[in-house]
Amino acid sequence: EPEVTQTPSHQVTQMGQEVILRCVPISNHLYFYWYRQILGQKVEFLVSFYNNEISEKSEIFDDQFSVERPDGSNFTLKIRSTKLEDSAMYFCASSERGYRINQPQHFGDGTRLSIL
Amino acid sequence: DAKTTQPNSMESNEEEPVHLPCNHSTISGTDYIHWYRQLPSQGPEYVIHGLTSNVNNRMASLAIAEDRKSSTLILHRATLRDAAVYYCILPLAGGTSYGKLTFGQGTILTVHP
Repeated sequence: EPEVTQTPSHQVTQMGQEVILRCVPISNHLYFYWYRQILGQKVEFLVSFYNNEISEKSEIFDDQFSVERPDGSNFTLKIRSTKLEDSAMYFCASSERGYRINQPQHFGDGTRLSIL
Repeated sequence: DAKTTQPNSMESNEEEPVHLPCNHSTISGTDYIHWYRQLPSQGPEYVIHGLTSNVNNRMASLAIAEDRKSSTLILHRATLRDAAVYYCILPLAGGTSYGKLTFGQGTILTVHP
């Protein structure tokens, strides 16, 4: 069964550094999402992306964050000037045709980001 | 998203059925009911979704009340691998929302051998 894959599985970065989290969504999917989960807390929506632009973003997704689909297969989340509070699991998800016909989202296993 | 209410935790024995309830009294006529689960150290996993009629798939069944104000996820024979946090979610579809999922605390399911 096709999967969403995320790399790396664990990223350790010094505070203030930039980090790029990578995702390969399922190949025929058109809608892409990033979520995060701080340890012991709920999964939180960050951003949705369709047709090469951001569709929706949460309050968390400020100017520090950006997303990109640099080629036909990868979907990346960039965090500039990381802060301690950015430490979390980051999940990428994709869906085939998105919200209008209630397609389910398929998640990767996440990247654990640790900011020192 | 419409608000959902789930018990904080439930327990089951292996190979017994599990009924996970969810209340969503403010559901609108176009809201689908989605269930996801999150196994330890993994990302959320889609389980099932439905609108009005009961639904079955290889993982579970979804029973939806006639007034749609509640639903029940049914695992017919729980296994140890079903131990997870189960989330009942009513995603917004349309308007200013593009399908984001709003996760609550969910129900922690413990399965005993």
